[in-house]
Amino acid sequence: AQSVAQPEDQVNVAEGNPLTVKCTYSVSGNPYLFWYVQYPNRGLQFLLKYITGDNLVKGSYGFEAEFNKSQTSFHLKKPSALVSDSALYFCAVRDDPGGYNKLIFGAGTRLAVHP
Amino acid sequence: GAGVSQSPSNKVTEKGKDVELRCDPISGHTALYWYRQSLGQGLEFLIYFQGNSAPDKSGLPSDRFSAERTGGSVSTLTIQRTQQEDSAVYLCATPNEQFFGPGTRLTVL
Repeated sequence: AQSVAQPEDQVNVAEGNPLTVKCTYSVSGNPYLFWYVQYPNRGLQFLLKYITGDNLVKGSYGFEAEFNKSQTSFHLKKPSALVSDSALYFCAVRDDPGGYNKLIFGAGTRLAVHP
Repeated sequence: GAGVSQSPSNKVTEKGKDVELRCDPISGHTALYWYRQSLGQGLEFLIYFQGNSAPDKSGLPSDRFSAERTGGSVSTLTIQRTQQEDSAVYLCATPNEQFFGPGTRLTVL
């Protein structure tokens, strides 16, 4: 069965510092991995995805994520955090590249960026 | 989210009442998903429609939950005899990147 783990409930980082939000996954076949962000009282927004190709994926708002097959991880990163990045971040996995299987989500990590 | 609208945005109901939540994938995707986000938790898959195929209902938590999609477009999620544990944000989404609608926040008193 597919599963996603986000081991940190909350990540705190100072503005201007690099940030990492961790995600590990488990799938029986090839993983198709996603990150979403949810701002307060807002809907879920797609950030980036890994389907195939380069292990480093660049997405919206300066975020990037690195796919590591040996460690079954897909950590979200940003070189310099902004206060406006404070939000809830979800990692998700799907086992089908065509986009028609359901996503399995992690429990979410709350990112707090302090001035 | 791009191409998906939901209504109502907020719904407050009394325990035991039935509610209907609506999703309109404006972009006309053939596939549509419903998810539920309970307070402080991640997203839980509920049901998936793909064209004329039988829907994947494997995520529906009880037989009080049902959904239909008429004409391959608008979908309605119905919860009968609502319970307080049904309180959550109900989201629908389209395939691929799965653009999510803004959600309906359901509160069962």
